[in-house]
Amino acid sequence: DTEVTQTPKHLVMGMTNKKSLKCEQHMGHRAMYWYKQKAKKPPELMFVYSYEKLSINESVPSRFSPECPNSSLLNLHLHALQPEDSALYLCASSPILAGGRHEQFFGPGTRLTVL
Amino acid sequence: GENVEQHPSTLSVQEGDSAVIKCTYSDSASNYFPWYKQELGKRPQLIIDIRSNVGEKKDQRIAVTLNKTAKHFSLHITETQPEDSAVYFCAAGDNTNAGKSTFGDGTTLTVKP
Repeated sequence: DTEVTQTPKHLVMGMTNKKSLKCEQHMGHRAMYWYKQKAKKPPELMFVYSYEKLSINESVPSRFSPECPNSSLLNLHLHALQPEDSALYLCASSPILAGGRHEQFFGPGTRLTVL
Repeated sequence: GENVEQHPSTLSVQEGDSAVIKCTYSDSASNYFPWYKQELGKRPQLIIDIRSNVGEKKDQRIAVTLNKTAKHFSLHITETQPEDSAVYFCAAGDNTNAGKSTFGDGTTLTVKP
């Protein structure tokens, strides 16, 4: 299996809701990432997990809470979001290789709309 | 932190022509430079990458060049086809942060038949 999968594909939520985004990969990659992408903009890094431990938090508001239950799964828990959080949320994974080549494999994304 | 600038923001070429997209980076510690293609409504996909110990890499119609001294790298697409139309992102990263890459703002390439 050489794909990163994400569920759900689309999510509409109110500002008081709690929801979760899920990401899964079975390529044995030990680095996993959450990105946020607005229309016509590049992916913006949110979090990086390395060997199931949070290694980078790009000063993301606490209403976004990542979780990495095991080496294949990555979740993003959402609570009390704002309309400006509406975006495409992309998950990615990459192998951790000595020598610096870190090809990232992206999932199809979850299109999130906050009302 | 790393800062990546990408030019041009839009590029329109005739089918069969070549396209060149240029990026500069700021952090001399960056040693990995991937290029991603993102078609409308789809995920970014790696099309080619280069590491800092190599000056040029080619894969069929696509090539990337890297000038470490000047801190810039470029994507070259030859014999463009309409299916090359997409947004292209360059990125720069290092191997100290689990492969963290900083993306350029993207170039929208349109290939006219």
